Amino acid sequence: EAQVTQNPRYLITVTGKKLTVTCSQNMNHEYMSWYRQDPGLGLRQIYYSMNVEVTDKGDVPEGYKVSRKEKRNFPLILESPSPNQTSLYFCASSLYANQPQHFGDGTRLSIL
Amino acid sequence: GESVGLHLPTLSVQEGDNSIINCAYSNSASDYFIWYKQESGKGPQFIIDIRSNMDKRQGQRVTVLLNKTVKHLSLQIAATQPGDSAVYFCAENSKAGTALIFGKGTTLSVSS
Repeated sequence: EAQVTQNPRYLITVTGKKLTVTCSQNMNHEYMSWYRQDPGLGLRQIYYSMNVEVTDKGDVPEGYKVSRKEKRNFPLILESPSPNQTSLYFCASSLYANQPQHFGDGTRLSIL
Repeated sequence: GESVGLHLPTLSVQEGDNSIINCAYSNSASDYFIWYKQESGKGPQFIIDIRSNMDKRQGQRVTVLLNKTVKHLSLQIAATQPGDSAVYFCAENSKAGTALIFGKGTTLSVSS
């Protein structure tokens, strides 16, 4: 089944403790992206990747890192999480940019 | 700046009615638009897309209309069913085509 898989689905952690949210797609898509969803603000892009080893900032990249060492994986790294990063995070992928993006089911992060 | 908005945050309809969800966009240079459906606890799910060289596109029970003159996008759902209850987002591509810019969503409630 074609899908985008995120892990974990839920995480409660404390300020400053590094965490990684993994994202994997099995559709051989070149484009991948991370969004966060907050009430009243909608979905906002954090980082995106056009292909392996090619990443760039989205609208709200501060406090986040990403890497794209393999086509299928695009992890989101929070080196020193803070409470303002408490949010619902979505990973998405598409064959190329400007194509319909397929979304994972989300990761709900709570930073205390 | 670029933004996509929806006219109504909520829409309530009876089962069997036709639903129309509207969206206004601000970037006249946008050439690709998508409608997504998001159910509780899930990621956005692709419904239908349209490129700027078209005015109308039909899918199964759904139609998207694009009016570039007034920068307006709409999603029509025929014979709305309880399973259509969800939050609907319109999205447009960014200037570089590397991101989707989402509106804030319309919650569709379908009563039997």
